[in-house]
Amino acid sequence: QVQLVQSGAEVRKPGASVKLSCKASGYRFTSYKIHWVRQVRQAPGQRLEWMGWIKTDDGGTRYSQNFLGRVTFSRDTSATTVYMELSSLTFEDTAVYYCARRAHIVGAADACDVWGQGTMVTVS
Amino acid sequence: ELTQPPSVSVSPGQTAIITCSGDKLGDKYVYWYQQRPGQSPILVIYQDTERYSGIPERFSGSSSGNTATLTISGTQAVDEADYYCQAMDSGTVVFGGGTKVTVL
Repeated sequence: QVQLVQSGAEVRKPGASVKLSCKASGYRFTSYKIHWVRQVRQAPGQRLEWMGWIKTDDGGTRYSQNFLGRVTFSRDTSATTVYMELSSLTFEDTAVYYCARRAHIVGAADACDVWGQGTMVTVS
Repeated sequence: ELTQPPSVSVSPGQTAIITCSGDKLGDKYVYWYQQRPGQSPILVIYQDTERYSGIPERFSGSSSGNTATLTISGTQAVDEADYYCQAMDSGTVVFGGGTKVTVL
């Protein structure tokens, strides 16, 4: 079945970097962009924050202004895996990081229809 | 920026209405996601009104002016979750702050 499987939880100190992976299976890897979204605890609930996307065919990227200069997406087509590296970590980067596939339905190309299970990153 | 009410409470079998408002939202498509506790989001509605594959008919979407609405008719206990709206803004993805639906 179509799925995205993400790497395990990480703990980093402030100022460090973290690199997460997201392995795709069950579909043609190069046909769909992969987005990265993080979920941050913010009273009274949790908010989703879009980080950007990577085109899995040619490696083209689009980053959110909020992460410019700190985030890098990459991919390995032979391994059907996408990576997200975030540098200069601060306590505010503590969050669950998701990779998500661009929806395959025409008319839903700006949405995500398959999500990874999420990776908890703790900056402490 | 997309604005959602932080919480909505509904009795089983009743209708839950979740709004999402934003500048010029009427000019954009809105998407809705459901996120149950401890799980990843799932796509519920796309293009304002279209139910995604496998989503029950009790979920419906609409849009008027600068407000989009997700309606859950005949709400069930299993619908208790956080709901997020999403739209595009100059090529970037924007999410609403999320609405916690509690089924009392």
